[in-house]
Amino acid sequence: GAVVSQHPSRVICKSGTSVKIECRSLDFQATTMFWYRQFPKQSLMLMATSNEGSKATYEQGVEKDKFLINHASLTLSTLTVTSAHPEDSSFYICSVFWGQGYGNTIYFGEGSWLTVV
Amino acid sequence: AQSVTQLDSQVPVFEEAPVELRCNYSSSVSVYLFWYVQYPNQGLQLLLKYLSGSTLVKGINGFEAEFNKSQTSFHLRKPSVHISDTAEYFCAVSVGGTGNQFYFGTGTSLTVIP
Repeated sequence: GAVVSQHPSRVICKSGTSVKIECRSLDFQATTMFWYRQFPKQSLMLMATSNEGSKATYEQGVEKDKFLINHASLTLSTLTVTSAHPEDSSFYICSVFWGQGYGNTIYFGEGSWLTVV
Repeated sequence: AQSVTQLDSQVPVFEEAPVELRCNYSSSVSVYLFWYVQYPNQGLQLLLKYLSGSTLVKGINGFEAEFNKSQTSFHLRKPSVHISDTAEYFCAVSVGGTGNQFYFGTGTSLTVIP
């Protein structure tokens, strides 16, 4: 069964508004979650590492003020796209890393399609 | 630096034929290796992984992969594909045992032709 749940699966928002995407670790308390962006027919691009109880770590070139990440609990991380523009339209995927003793494996959410109109 | 190369961006294959999706990596340290599958409009699902032990690993849906350290490869194989195997396949390498050191290949689009 799924170990990571992502919501919503699809969202359409107007340009200039903000939209929030949730990522839940279902069976495991995750101190670290990851957010990726994927353009059509391309691979995953790591955007940021979400750390429970502290600030997220962003990859180079990712705007911190535009992509707000909150990891308020051990099972929930949220990505908020602020002041969205059409170029932010993309597929966003979260993941949870199960480390030593749990398989050293990343498990992914189902992904969220964001369309900004 | 680590990198993952998937040599074939697209692989068409007839139904019930065998298939091999190639993956090569470069790393100066020990790595963990993974294959993920992505069906249209969905997230990534773990197919199989190599952490240690036997170099031939079996995964879900009849897939298997073999870790070849000398050739730094981790090719994915299936002896007989089905229409439902049509999807995007990603090879990934993990270094250091931490989640943010996962490196993904560019993906291989497998299309099974009836």
